[in-house]
Amino acid sequence: GEDVEQSLFLSVREGDSSVINCTYTDSSSTYLYWYKQEPGAGLQLLTYIFSNMDMKQDQRLTVLLNKKDKHLSLRIADTQTGDSAIYFCAESPYNQGGKLIFGQGTELSVKP
Amino acid sequence: DAGVIQSPRHEVTEMGQEVTLRCKPISGHDYLFWYRQTMMRGLELLIYFNNNVPIDDSGMPEDRFSAKMPNASFSTLKIQPSEPRDSAVYFCASSKGGVGPTNEKLFFGSGTQLSVL
Repeated sequence: GEDVEQSLFLSVREGDSSVINCTYTDSSSTYLYWYKQEPGAGLQLLTYIFSNMDMKQDQRLTVLLNKKDKHLSLRIADTQTGDSAIYFCAESPYNQGGKLIFGQGTELSVKP
Repeated sequence: DAGVIQSPRHEVTEMGQEVTLRCKPISGHDYLFWYRQTMMRGLELLIYFNNNVPIDDSGMPEDRFSAKMPNASFSTLKIQPSEPRDSAVYFCASSKGGVGPTNEKLFFGSGTQLSVL
């Protein structure tokens, strides 16, 4: 089946690193995604990783993928108060016509 | 392009009333998705369309919910009759469709905050 799990809350101090974890079930997903939702807004694509990659770095963001354990993580370096938001990971099951399955979202709170 | 446009932004109604939510996807996008977001259940996919045809409606909660896409630029999600437990934020999203981040990337509307009293 298709299921994506995330922890619900994470609180960090400004300047620290944040690590948001996610587990997924569908090994057929070619790409895995991280979306960000700011208050009162829809979700926006933050970054993604190809399933054959272990790591992808994009400025302050690092995505790690352990395909064997079906574990995905998003690390935000030097976390800022503007990073406070809800972060969703998503899998894209193969041959599902572009349907994305989202986790419950992790609410990141950054304290000054 | 103005992005995915949803209306209304907020809707307050009484239990038993009919509610219609509207969505205009991004021009050229072949896929349209309706999601519901609540604190308890997170983000749930209700239904999605490809080229105006419903592909998967297994997420629609019950017969009170229906969705249509009469043409490539318009979709509605209707709840009749509405109940308090339908209170949630309803998002519409569109994508080009196909494999790969460019095609699978979802563009979300700002959502409709529905409150059923």
